[in-house]
Amino acid sequence: QVQLQESGPGLVKPSGTLSLTCAVSGDSISSSNWWSWVRQPPGKGLEWIGEIYHSGSTNYNPSLKSRVTISVDKSKNQFSLKLSSVTAADTAVYYCAVKRWLQPNWFDPWGQGTLVTVSS
Amino acid sequence: DIQMTQSPSSLSASVGDRVTITCRASQSISSYLNWYQQKPGKAPKVLIYDASTLQSGVSSRFSGSGSGTDFTLTISSLQPEDSATYYCQQSFSTPTFGQGTRLEIK
Repeated sequence: QVQLQESGPGLVKPSGTLSLTCAVSGDSISSSNWWSWVRQPPGKGLEWIGEIYHSGSTNYNPSLKSRVTISVDKSKNQFSLKLSSVTAADTAVYYCAVKRWLQPNWFDPWGQGTLVTVSS
Repeated sequence: DIQMTQSPSSLSASVGDRVTITCRASQSISSYLNWYQQKPGKAPKVLIYDASTLQSGVSSRFSGSGSGTDFTLTISSLQPEDSATYYCQQSFSTPTFGQGTRLEIK
């Protein structure tokens, strides 16, 4: 049973870089899955940020692509998110999630989520 | 991007009611449509994938149908624990979610 756990600073200053890590247990990050990030601003809906395959191949939301970097660390069985030039609009609960490589695919499971607030 | 539009945005129903939520895609997505349930303070949980396949462990009260651009999630007999927000999500291309439907139990 795959389990995911997000970690990182809960407060980031405007114009700074948001950095989060998702630790994977119960499966190898080298398995046939896309390792994904999804966010949810307080009281609002879900927005897919991007994903990475263990080979390093990535896909990003076009609306965030210029500011997002997702990377994988096979030695630690984890993957990470960096979002640069943050503003208050980036305040959200950030989830990591798994999506299998083949179609049809869906996000399951998800981490518990971590709230990141952008404020000075 | 493929836009996903859910209706209604919110609804209130009684225990035992049959409830239907609809999701429309801005272009054909075949059957690449998933439904999630999210309770306050929790991560979303997949209920239905590939438009109509029930995820293991999910109550058979939940069912999904549709293909192309129009999809529905049906709860056959509403229970108190079904109070939640429901999201559709297309996996045909870059993933996008509907805006959510908040379901309240009267």
